[in-house]
Amino acid sequence: EVQLSDSGGGVVQPGGSLRLSCAASGLTFSSYGMSWVRQAPGKGLEWVSSIIGGGTGNTYSADSVKGRFTISRDNSKNTLYLQMNSLRVEDTAVYYCAKNPTWGTTWLFDSWGQGTLVTVSS
Amino acid sequence: EIVMTQSPATLSVSPGERVTLSCRASQSVSSNLAWYQQISGQAPRLLISGASTRATGIPVRFSGSGSGAEFTLTISSLQSEDFAVYYCQQYNNWPLTFGGGTKVEIK
Repeated sequence: EVQLSDSGGGVVQPGGSLRLSCAASGLTFSSYGMSWVRQAPGKGLEWVSSIIGGGTGNTYSADSVKGRFTISRDNSKNTLYLQMNSLRVEDTAVYYCAKNPTWGTTWLFDSWGQGTLVTVSS
Repeated sequence: EIVMTQSPATLSVSPGERVTLSCRASQSVSSNLAWYQQISGQAPRLLISGASTRATGIPVRFSGSGSGAEFTLTISSLQSEDFAVYYCQQYNNWPLTFGGGTKVEIK
């Protein structure tokens, strides 16, 4: 059974940084694309960033986070990361890591972590 | 960016009723459309991919249809555990986009 465990959320001031982690188990981690999806309090789902499987590191990001957030993966540790810099109040959300069903051709989300809350506030 | 529009925003339904949720894309997404269920306080769960293929373990009362820009999720007989928010998502183009959701609540 695939399990994704998100961590690293917390309270940070505007302009600050935070790194989220997602530990994966029950799968051949390197074989799958992985993504981050967020949900602001009381709002809908918003795609943040995706990274293809394997080691080439091809990534995709929403315009709202481009240049501030960086997605990466360590296949040796079965872990996905999201480095978030220059955080803004509007980045406040629950961040979910999510698995894609393929290496990098079908970008839907077939398994989800439990989510980690990021609060950006002064 | 492809805009996904879901309707209605809220649906009040009695258990046992048939439910139809709509999702419309601002341009064609072919059949690259997924549906998710999110129960309050939980992570989303994949229901349907490819517009009409049920994910593993999803009951047969859930069905998806449509292609191009018009899609439908149908729940044939609503069960108590189905009261939730439902989202559609297109994965035909970057950026990936979700609809705003339809909340199915108890009547």
